Amino acid sequence: GENVEQHPSTLSVQEGDSAVIKCTYSDSASNYFPWYKQELGKGPQLIIDIRSNVGEKKDQRIAVTLNKTAKHFSLHITETQPEDSAVYFCAASRGTGNQFYFGTGTSLTVIP
Amino acid sequence: DTEVTQTPKHLVMGMTNKKSLKCEQHMGHRAMYWYKQKAKKPPELMFVYSYEKLSINESVPSRFSPECPNSSLLNLHLHALQPEDSALYLCASARSNTGELFFGEGSRLTVL
Repeated sequence: GENVEQHPSTLSVQEGDSAVIKCTYSDSASNYFPWYKQELGKGPQLIIDIRSNVGEKKDQRIAVTLNKTAKHFSLHITETQPEDSAVYFCAASRGTGNQFYFGTGTSLTVIP
Repeated sequence: DTEVTQTPKHLVMGMTNKKSLKCEQHMGHRAMYWYKQKAKKPPELMFVYSYEKLSINESVPSRFSPECPNSSLLNLHLHALQPEDSALYLCASARSNTGELFFGEGSRLTVL
């Protein structure tokens, strides 16, 4: 089965700096890679995703890159704000109805 | 609209009780999921329903019994639970054409 590894497990940045979280996957059949933000006491919220036919996707301050050859993908948050503080999970999937395999999570703290 | 609604938000039950968790979505998604999440851990897949049929059961103990009465509803029936079953139970549904997975806010279960 798929194995998703995520690093780092904790990350502290100063407000305004950038944050990068990296994930690797093992199953070459995985073709969909979402990122989730989970705030304390809430369910995970889909913030951005990327498919295997795309190398990069950007949405305002958030971007995701995918390297299919190396089987890794990364989340980039620029101009971080205190409200970005949360746990971020990456995931990999073969598509609808299939399993989503989650990374172990990164606890991001943005220091004002 | 990407709303998955879960009830109740909080549930406390004894080990001999029978209770149910409910999940509802009206986005026309045909894949629905139950996940269990412990503190500081990623969501752990329990069950997947695809077109109202159970398609994945991750070897979950029989004290957890899922039910999908129709394409909008997903239930998780609980009976004779153990204290170690205390966790956040998350429901999710996946958009059929894109595979995007959307989570509810979860039901926080405490077993005494």
